[in-house]
Amino acid sequence: AQKITQTQPGMFVQEKEAVTLDCTYDTSDQSYGLFWYKQPSSGEMIFLIYQGSYDEQNATEGRYSLNFQKARKSANLVISASQLGDSAMYFCAMREGGTGGFKTIFGAGTRLFVKA
Amino acid sequence: EAGVVQSPRYKIIEKKQPVAFWCNPISGHNTLYWYRQNLGQGPELLIRYENEEAVDDSQLPKDRFSAERLKGVDSTLKIQPAELGDSAVYLCASSPRRTGYEAAFFGQGTRLTVV
Repeated sequence: AQKITQTQPGMFVQEKEAVTLDCTYDTSDQSYGLFWYKQPSSGEMIFLIYQGSYDEQNATEGRYSLNFQKARKSANLVISASQLGDSAMYFCAMREGGTGGFKTIFGAGTRLFVKA
Repeated sequence: EAGVVQSPRYKIIEKKQPVAFWCNPISGHNTLYWYRQNLGQGPELLIRYENEEAVDDSQLPKDRFSAERLKGVDSTLKIQPAELGDSAVYLCASSPRRTGYEAAFFGQGTRLTVV
């Protein structure tokens, strides 16, 4: 069964510093995709970054990078140079292909607070 | 490019009443999702459409929930009758279908309160 674990209910970071949000996953499928979404207080889920299970390079999108460690089944999100606008809920998600039927599941989320 | 549009943004109804939510996906996106998000939790998939076909509705409580996506564009999610436990945010999302790993783009959601 699919499972996504985000062990940090809340995180604090000082403005302009980097922060790592943890995500571990469990799957028996060889083909899967990992996603991170941001949900500000307005409620909309905003796609941040994607990592495919066969991608050898860690994904990067601007200030976001995904630290993908396949053997450890972890896909941590790194936000560099934090900004006040980064304060939000962050969700890790996984989609299994093939036998997983492309079903996407989400973790419980981590609330990030950026301090001025 | 317009994003996923949902309406209404907020809805308050009494229990046992019916309610419907509407979603207009991003143009050209043939995959459409309905998720339910309870307070303090991540979204949970209710149903996924590929064009007008519901390809995954295993998590949809079919005794009271129904959904349709006529013509493979707009979609409606209905609850009848609503229960107190249905209070949640209902999120619609869409994605293009190429490899199956495309990111889903979400609307702002409908916050349902059942009293």
